[in-house]
Amino acid sequence: EDKVVQSPLSLVVHEGDTVTLNCSYEVTNFRSLLWYKQEKKAPTFLFMLTSSGIEKKSGRLSSILDKKELFSILNITATQTGDSAIYLCAVAGNNDMRFGAGTRLTVKP
Amino acid sequence: GAVVSQHPSRVICKSGTSVKIECRSLDFQATTMFWYRQFPKKSLMLMATSNEGSKATYEQGVEKDKFLINHASLTLSTLTVTSAHPEDSSFYICSARVQTNYGYTFGSGTRLTVV
Repeated sequence: EDKVVQSPLSLVVHEGDTVTLNCSYEVTNFRSLLWYKQEKKAPTFLFMLTSSGIEKKSGRLSSILDKKELFSILNITATQTGDSAIYLCAVAGNNDMRFGAGTRLTVKP
Repeated sequence: GAVVSQHPSRVICKSGTSVKIECRSLDFQATTMFWYRQFPKKSLMLMATSNEGSKATYEQGVEKDKFLINHASLTLSTLTVTSAHPEDSSFYICSARVQTNYGYTFGSGTRLTVV
């Protein structure tokens, strides 16, 4: 059975801290792994990863995929209170896209 | 580019009635659309995958007669919650695969409240 497992489920840090969010997966017919940030409504896209070892960066956020070990990490450096959200990892197969349970990140001032 | 318009954003209905949620791709053709349900403080649960012109594939435990999905055109997929009950109250959201870059784009979601 396909599964996407995120850890930790919840994380509380202070502004300026660096966080690493984890996503491991077991899916058939892997196409891509995606990271989303969800605050109040629809998730907003962060990264799509298809190849191992290539880091994607956007400002203070970065992510990398390991297709051999079947996991991805999302790093956020110099966290800000505006980073507080649920971070969702999704894995897309040929005909589905499944989400992990999410990591709820709280950044305190 | 790649925008999915989802309507309505919020709906309140009485028990026993049916509610239709639409997802329309505005500037691309969505051959595949995913429908998700999200409970408060939980992640997105895949309900079904719809492919244009064919029957939707439902996830285990999702009642196909209750959650009717129609994907009759390359730009429109609909989810109808039939004979709604209070336990159907939830946040429903669609996502479409963008063929050109293999990415995915979400609708803005529909918050359904059944009273």
